[in-house]
Amino acid sequence: AQSVAQPEDQVNVAEGNPLTVKCTYSVSGNPYLFWYVQYPNRGLQFLLKYITGDNLVKGSYGFEAEFNKSQTSFHLKKPSALVSDSALYFCAVRGAAGGYQKVTFGTGTKLQVIP
Amino acid sequence: SAVISQKPSRDICQRGTSLTIQCQVDSQVTMMFWYRQQPGQSLTLIATANQGSEATYESGFVIDKFPISRPNLTFSTLTVSNMSPEDSSIYLCSVNDRGRYNEQFFGPGTRLTVL
Repeated sequence: AQSVAQPEDQVNVAEGNPLTVKCTYSVSGNPYLFWYVQYPNRGLQFLLKYITGDNLVKGSYGFEAEFNKSQTSFHLKKPSALVSDSALYFCAVRGAAGGYQKVTFGTGTKLQVIP
Repeated sequence: SAVISQKPSRDICQRGTSLTIQCQVDSQVTMMFWYRQQPGQSLTLIATANQGSEATYESGFVIDKFPISRPNLTFSTLTVSNMSPEDSSIYLCSVNDRGRYNEQFFGPGTRLTVL
């Protein structure tokens, strides 16, 4: 069975500092990996994905994520945090086999950017 | 990307009653999904709804409690039946990115409180 682990319930970072939100996964075969962000009282918004190719993926709002196959990780990063980045972040994985594959979400990490 | 709307955005209901949540998509999609997000927790897939067939329910969810309709390629409803306080959650409608089965897009959610 596939799974996603987000080891930190909350990450605090000062505005202007780099941020990292950690994610590790387990899946049979090659993974498709995703990051979503959820602002208060809103649905999930897609940030970025890794399907194949370059291990460093760039997404919306200046976020990027690095796929590391040997460590089965897909950490979300941003060079300089903004207060407006404060939100709940979800990592997700699905298998890369053809057709529809169920997506599994992590438990979420609350990012708090401190002014 | 698909634009998804949900009605109602929130509701407060009495124990033992039922609520039907509507999900409307601005484009035709094959697969629609219903998720539950309980307070402080991750997303749990309730069921997958394909047009013209019965919904497929995940373990722990049954049709009698969460009947789903999918009358066409742009619309679906989820009913939460015989509600109890444990059903208090955010219910999210989601669709696959049309033609690629990669990203999922989410509606804004319906915040349900059962008294």
